Amino acid sequence: DAKTTQPPSMDCAEGRAANLPCNHSTISGNEYVYWYRQIHSQGPQYIIHGLKNNETNEMASLIITEDRKSSTLILPHATLRDTAVYYCIVNGANSKLTFGKGITLSVRP
Amino acid sequence: GAVVSQHPSRVICKSGTSVKIECRSLDFQATTMFWYRQFPKKSLMLMATSNEGSKATYEQGVEKDKFLINHASLTLSTLTVTSAHPEDSSFYICSARAAGVPAETQYFGPGTRLLVL
Repeated sequence: DAKTTQPPSMDCAEGRAANLPCNHSTISGNEYVYWYRQIHSQGPQYIIHGLKNNETNEMASLIITEDRKSSTLILPHATLRDTAVYYCIVNGANSKLTFGKGITLSVRP
Repeated sequence: GAVVSQHPSRVICKSGTSVKIECRSLDFQATTMFWYRQFPKKSLMLMATSNEGSKATYEQGVEKDKFLINHASLTLSTLTVTSAHPEDSSFYICSARAAGVPAETQYFGPGTRLLVL
């Protein structure tokens, strides 16, 4: 069972920031928050992960609340190619990834 | 870096035949590989975990004699769907976990679309 809850869908305008929320209220101390995305008919793509500090890479930023019960993935300047299903996954070291339904992000021109 | 390939990308076969799908980590060594299946408009479901040099661990409800997994090297795992039937038609995706990184991160292949007639 997925340990996260995400809204089913959201949209944003091209060029604007996309903020994708995720709740993981039962996360335990040694579990990481991972984000993957899946563009239609492709394999999932790793985006970012974090434990408790905010993280940033060339793709996105991950903001984790102080109590670690929720997080937000930020795509700073969304493009049409960012349209995909985004999965927020809580995972401990050496354990398996369990994919929920994810959130479908639609970027509109 | 961290590229995973799959071959073939799509395959059509007759009912009763066997199909082999290859998963390769191209630029890193993967001690563990995973096989997933995804039906239309559904999420990925883990089928099995494959460790190099040992037997695969199958998820509940996945028939190990039907879905044969071999992980003979640190860069290659294969999934063979034996005696395929139309209900086995699906999108099969592998992933590889890179060793030696601070946290466990899986890199996914592009997937193989199987259609059984």
